[in-house]
Amino acid sequence: EPEVTQTPSHQVTQMGQEVILRCVPISNHLYFYWYRQILGQKVEFLVSFYNNEISEKSEIFDDQFSVERPDGSNFTLKIRSTKLEDSAMYFCASSRGQGASSYEQYFGPGTRLTVT
Amino acid sequence: AQSVSQHNHHVILSEAASLELGCNYSYGGTVNLFWYVQYPGQHLQLLLKYFSGDPLVKGIKGFEAEFIKSKFSFNLRKPSVQWSDTAEYFCAVNAPLSGGYNKLIFGAGTRLAVHP
Repeated sequence: EPEVTQTPSHQVTQMGQEVILRCVPISNHLYFYWYRQILGQKVEFLVSFYNNEISEKSEIFDDQFSVERPDGSNFTLKIRSTKLEDSAMYFCASSRGQGASSYEQYFGPGTRLTVT
Repeated sequence: AQSVSQHNHHVILSEAASLELGCNYSYGGTVNLFWYVQYPGQHLQLLLKYFSGDPLVKGIKGFEAEFIKSKFSFNLRKPSVQWSDTAEYFCAVNAPLSGGYNKLIFGAGTRLAVHP
């Protein structure tokens, strides 16, 4: 069964450094998402992406964040200058397309980002 | 703004006990509802979903959920839990946006521990 994959599984970085989290969505999916879960808190929506542009972003997704689909398979989340409060588990998700099928999102295993 | 409330943060049961996890949402329009499960060390997996039709939906591993529109609820149930059901359970609601893509709004999660 196709799966969403994410790399790395764990990333440790120093405050102020740039990080890129990578995701490979399911191949025939058209919509892509990033969520994050700070330890002990709920899963929060960050951004959705369709047709090579952001379709919606949350207030968390400020100018320090960017997303990109650099080729036909990868979907990346970049944090330009990490802060301690960016430490969280970051989940990538994808969904198929229009209509009811677009409502089912498939999640990757997550990348645990630790900012020191 | 949409929100999702899960009443129980931590539930402890013995094997064969019945389970009901509460979920309420605040949104007056059409909603799509989901329960996701996260087993220890694993990623979010879809347990079941409700888009329309029969308000009693059956998911994987013997779980079911009932959508009660008048109560804005989507409670998860299982008649007899097993030790392998130990996991964190998340209720989620989608927020339809223009264009067919959407974001999921998650509840805080319920951590279920099943003792043999």
